[in-house]
Amino acid sequence: GNSVTQMEGPVTLSEEAFLTINCTYTATGYPSLFWYVQYPGEGLQLLLKATKADDKGSNKGFEATYRKETTSFHLEKGSVQVSDSAVYFCALSVGGQNFVFGPGTRLSVLP
Amino acid sequence: NAGVTQTPKFQVLKTGQSMTLQCAQDMNHNSMYWYRQDPGMGLRLIYYSASEGTTDKGEVPNGYNVSRLNKREFSLRLESAAPSQTSVYFCASSEPRDGGGYTFGSGTRLTVV
Repeated sequence: GNSVTQMEGPVTLSEEAFLTINCTYTATGYPSLFWYVQYPGEGLQLLLKATKADDKGSNKGFEATYRKETTSFHLEKGSVQVSDSAVYFCALSVGGQNFVFGPGTRLSVLP
Repeated sequence: NAGVTQTPKFQVLKTGQSMTLQCAQDMNHNSMYWYRQDPGMGLRLIYYSASEGTTDKGEVPNGYNVSRLNKREFSLRLESAAPSQTSVYFCASSEPRDGGGYTFGSGTRLTVV
């Protein structure tokens, strides 16, 4: 079956540090890959996505590249801010339905 | 731009009581979903509706029922609430033809005592 593995954290960084959250997947077929972010007390919001190999998704300074050869979709940001503190979920979908989510990674950014 | 609207936002139930969680989307999406989120368990799919008139069980359907009332609305019912159903419930919708992601509601925090 389809699955997503991501580092669970928590991850604690100082402001302006470099962020990497690893995500790897297994899937039957050709998945689309997503990163979602959940701020405290809120629902999940789509952060970025990539629909085919070598695509790079980007938004709000975050980036992730769809690597088919390593079945990975690692999330990166060059300089995190306190406002980036949240839980980040990696997810995949085949055929646009029935997403599979990773367990989430809690990020805390200290001033 | 309402997106996905869930009601209520908070609810406390006694064991054995029933209630319905409401969800409505205004994006003309075909697919709708109910998830629960528990500490350390991530998101788990309860039920989904691929299109109006269809519903299917997800990973954790026991103790729940759903109704896809029309294309906009997808409700989740707890017939006899149990403490194990204490959780945060999220509704989501998607349009598979768009190839896009889910749009989530803001959640319902349910406590069963």
